[in-house]
Amino acid sequence: QVQLQESGPGLVKPSQTLSLTCTVSGGSISSGSYYWSWIRQPAGKGLEWIGRIYTSGSTNYNPSLKSRVTISVDTSKNHFSLKLSSVTAADTAVYYCARGLYSSGWFYFDYWGQGTLVTVSS
Amino acid sequence: DIQMTQSPSSLSASVGDRVTITCRASQSISSYLNWYQQKPGKAPKLLIYAASILQSGVPSRFSGSGSGTDFTLTISSLQPEDFATYYCQQSYSIPYTFGQGTKLEIK
Repeated sequence: QVQLQESGPGLVKPSQTLSLTCTVSGGSISSGSYYWSWIRQPAGKGLEWIGRIYTSGSTNYNPSLKSRVTISVDTSKNHFSLKLSSVTAADTAVYYCARGLYSSGWFYFDYWGQGTLVTVSS
Repeated sequence: DIQMTQSPSSLSASVGDRVTITCRASQSISSYLNWYQQKPGKAPKLLIYAASILQSGVPSRFSGSGSGTDFTLTISSLQPEDFATYYCQQSYSIPYTFGQGTKLEIK
């Protein structure tokens, strides 16, 4: 059973960089055709897709965040990471990591981490 | 970006009721539409992908239909554990986008 677990600071100061890691267990991050994604959810609001990385290292980002986002993968540690720079209070949210896959051409997120709350405040 | 609009935003229903939630895309997305269930404090859970394919392990009382711009999620007979918030999500093009959610509450 694949499990994903987010980790990182719960409090980040404005203008600084938010850094989170998602550790994958129950399977190798580099096996299969999976796209490892970050998704966030401000309190009481909907879900926003941030971006994804393929095991080859190729990435896709949400254009609304692209200038500030970097997603990377470390296959030796079986984890992938998110960096979001120049944060403001608007970046306060629960951040989820998720596994995406194509099945017969259809793409969806089938496994999610439990989520981690990141608050941007001085 | 493709905008996803769900209706209603909230819904009150009773155990045993049949419930339908609607999702509309701002442009045609074929059948690239997924449905998720989220309970308070938990991560979303995949229910349906490709508009109508039930994810493994999901009860058969859940069903999805639609293509193009209009989609529906139906719960045939509500169970107590079904009270949650439901999100649609398009996977037709990047950036992937979600509906604003439909909160299903107990009447």
